[in-house]
Amino acid sequence: QQPVQSPQAVILREGEDAVINCSSSKALYSVHWYRQKHGEAPVFLMILLKGGEQKGHDKISASFNEKKQQSSLYLTASQLSYSGTYFCGYGNNRLAFGKGNQVVVIP
Amino acid sequence: EPEVTQTPSHQVTQMGQEVILRCVPISNHLYFYWYRQILGQKVEFLVSFYNNEISEKSEIFDDQFSVERPDGSNFTLKIRSTKLEDSAMYFCASEGQGTNEKLFFGSGTQLSVL
Repeated sequence: QQPVQSPQAVILREGEDAVINCSSSKALYSVHWYRQKHGEAPVFLMILLKGGEQKGHDKISASFNEKKQQSSLYLTASQLSYSGTYFCGYGNNRLAFGKGNQVVVIP
Repeated sequence: EPEVTQTPSHQVTQMGQEVILRCVPISNHLYFYWYRQILGQKVEFLVSFYNNEISEKSEIFDDQFSVERPDGSNFTLKIRSTKLEDSAMYFCASEGQGTNEKLFFGSGTQLSVL
């Protein structure tokens, strides 16, 4: 089973904030976030482990709520470089990704 | 930062032909993966490999697919008889010493089946 990501696409202006979400129908023990730019491989952003912790990568942070079986990624003061497709994934030994959230940051 | 290397970057083949996609994972990593991505779609898990055997495989990874680590450094994906729907970007990834570590992805092989 794959995670469900929403919204499918976000367009925002440089400097604006956005939240993208990842949810699961089954219990989560960890969530991975990756970003993929067009024509490139996915690049690791962060892993969140059970415990509701928040992590950060530059001005991108994320939370993980294992009770709600969901994770949210927060893009703060977005930069043009944040554009790309964000994939969340979970599962040991067979990381399954959702369909992605396409983020477009415009000047 | 260490890199996962994939060759070739592009592969064009005729339907029914066999192809081998090659990957050199990061040297001290223990877990290896193949993913594929059809144009514009999500990254789909194919297979994971640990200790010289398959750990997990998806429904996509049928009898036409096989993986091998022939010499302790290369990690290969073979598609025995390619179909048109096998056209996709194939990514190799490796992971370090344990679970819940980050995956390092290679830059991919674009496979086109004609």
